[in-house]
Amino acid sequence: QSALTQPRSVSGSPGQSVTISCTGSSSDVGDYNYVSWYQQHPGKAPKLMIYDVSKRPSGVPDRFSGSKSGNTASLTISGLQAEDEADYYCCSYAGSYSPHVIFGGGTKLTVL
Amino acid sequence: EVQLVESGGGLVQPGGSLRLSCAASGFTVNNNYMSWVRQAPGKGLECVAVIYSGGNTFYANSVKGRFTISRDNSKNTLYLQMDSLRAEDTAVFYCARRLSTSWTFDYWGQGTLVTVSS
Repeated sequence: QSALTQPRSVSGSPGQSVTISCTGSSSDVGDYNYVSWYQQHPGKAPKLMIYDVSKRPSGVPDRFSGSKSGNTASLTISGLQAEDEADYYCCSYAGSYSPHVIFGGGTKLTVL
Repeated sequence: EVQLVESGGGLVQPGGSLRLSCAASGFTVNNNYMSWVRQAPGKGLECVAVIYSGGNTFYANSVKGRFTISRDNSKNTLYLQMDSLRAEDTAVFYCARRLSTSWTFDYWGQGTLVTVSS
């Protein structure tokens, strides 16, 4: 099973909105509402930002939102801030695939 | 407070073995789905092994037959035994806990670096 497909990079200016896509298949993203998004700053561990497609953990700003349509999930960050510059990874439950979860290749967000 | 602290990484020759540990606090490893996720230098995340609360284990094809995930309930610690290591196994290895109600990793350790090189 191949990794979920994400754009390698996106960019935006402070205050703008950006959207990162995550494309899978009917065996993962399209079949389950278990898409999560992680933020990773250089040298740090991933941090959970969105789970179950659109839920935000406590402490994550509401500038971060998630959605899904068909086999593609999306993470939108509105009101971009300098500290949002990081790598973002999507992840989906993948049913019969071992070991049951699959990640995207990651997207580098640059705040101009 | 939930914490995960990995240890055991280091430099190992191709074909060698290494055992990673992940000491947990603030929750019981035995009652949770736990996993090891690795990240090769400059690359993305890959889930390589998982263990369910019931003890079932699953592995990525890239490590099947070479890596073994296990846990010690008395020490509240997760392990990853890595044998027949290859250069392509070089990565930072993170242990992560799955949220009990979803297929989501809610807590991650800080990671431990494994370098396979002669």
